[in-house]
Amino acid sequence: AQTVTQSQPEMSVQEAETVTLSCTYDTSESDYYLFWYKQPPSRQMILVIRQEAYKQQNATENRFSVNFQKAAKSFSLKISDSQLGDAAMYFCALILSGSARQLTFGSGTQLTVLP
Amino acid sequence: GAGVSQSPRYKVAKRGQDVALRCDPISGHVSLFWYQQALGQGPEFLTYFQNEAQLDKSGLPSDRFFAERPEGSVSTLKIQRTQQEDSAVYLCASSWGLAGVETQYFGPGTRLLVL
Repeated sequence: AQTVTQSQPEMSVQEAETVTLSCTYDTSESDYYLFWYKQPPSRQMILVIRQEAYKQQNATENRFSVNFQKAAKSFSLKISDSQLGDAAMYFCALILSGSARQLTFGSGTQLTVLP
Repeated sequence: GAGVSQSPRYKVAKRGQDVALRCDPISGHVSLFWYQQALGQGPEFLTYFQNEAQLDKSGLPSDRFFAERPEGSVSTLKIQRTQQEDSAVYLCASSWGLAGVETQYFGPGTRLLVL
């Protein structure tokens, strides 16, 4: 079974600064997808960024980028130019290709953005 | 609709009562998922539908939990004889494809409190 670990329960960042959220995972499979989801206090989970394991290039979405290290099974999220609206719980998640379609989530990192 | 909707948003039940939670996926989305999110934790998979077929129910915690999607669109998660440990947020997600690795779009969740 696969596992996802987020070792930082809480992080804070000054507005306009950069912050990196850590995520490690474990799976014996070679074909999988990784995600970062954001969950604001309203609780609607929103996709931030997605990475296919077979792609070596790190995914980027505007101010959000990932550092995907497949050999190390690491998938960190970098938020540049942090904004107050970035404050939320961030979840790292993994899904295997093939028949298993369930997302496996980490325990989350609560990000606070300080004005 | 524009997004995944869930109802009710909040539900208070007395221990032993039956509850029914509804999910309306994004129109045209083939796959539908239910997750359970305990306070301060990441979501955990409950069950998965492809159209009206329930292909995976390995995450359902007991036989008191039952899910259906009879016409391949709206889904209902039913919990019989609720227990205090059932208190959680129940999230529904949908995705458009059959491959299982398409992005899952989440609803706002139903917060269930069992007294």
